[in-house]
Amino acid sequence: EVQLEQPGVEVKKPGESLKISCKASGYRFVSYWIGWVRQTPGKGLEWMGIIYPGDSETRYSPAFQGNVTISADKSIATAYLQWSSLKASDTAMYFCARGSSPVLDDAFDIWGQGTTVIVSS
Amino acid sequence: EIVLTQSPGTLSLSPGERASLSCRASQSVNSNYLAWYQQKPGQAPRLVIFGASSRATGIPNRFSGSGSGTDFTLTISRLEPEDFAVYYCHQYGASLHTFGQGTKVEIK
Repeated sequence: EVQLEQPGVEVKKPGESLKISCKASGYRFVSYWIGWVRQTPGKGLEWMGIIYPGDSETRYSPAFQGNVTISADKSIATAYLQWSSLKASDTAMYFCARGSSPVLDDAFDIWGQGTTVIVSS
Repeated sequence: EIVLTQSPGTLSLSPGERASLSCRASQSVNSNYLAWYQQKPGQAPRLVIFGASSRATGIPNRFSGSGSGTDFTLTISRLEPEDFAVYYCHQYGASLHTFGQGTKVEIK
């Protein structure tokens, strides 16, 4: 079964760093794009960026460029989203999702269950 | 960056009625790379339509997508109780993707 597994909740203080994971299974990890999507409470979906694990090509939304880093570790079939210094405004649910076609940058057919990030002093 | 505008914000309908959701793009979507997702409370989004008009695996045929260029529509021919949810459009034709702000389909 194709799956993306994410941790449930992360609680951090402002100024702390965080790296959340997205563990893939059931398919060839290096061949499919992985995207990250933010959803704030009661709000819609925001596309943050995307990575192709095969060569680590990465693209970021201008709204998130410079504020987060997307990476992937092929050896353990895991993608990451990280912050070096969290703000309260980073409090949100973060989903990872897989592009539906090999190699192509495509619609997202498989989604993780999401990681809730809470940033509070 | 392509801006997607969905309308209406909320659609109040009864089971059995037809739902038409609109997604308008600020510029033409390359190759009609436009998808629709359904999201229910507490769940991850679920792919419904890709390539503007192709149904994803397991999606019933009461869901259909149409449109091209800058204007796209998701139609649910007869609403079932499980169809009441929020629907988002997503363009992936540009190197930077974007989502619309969502349309909530609620029970009248």
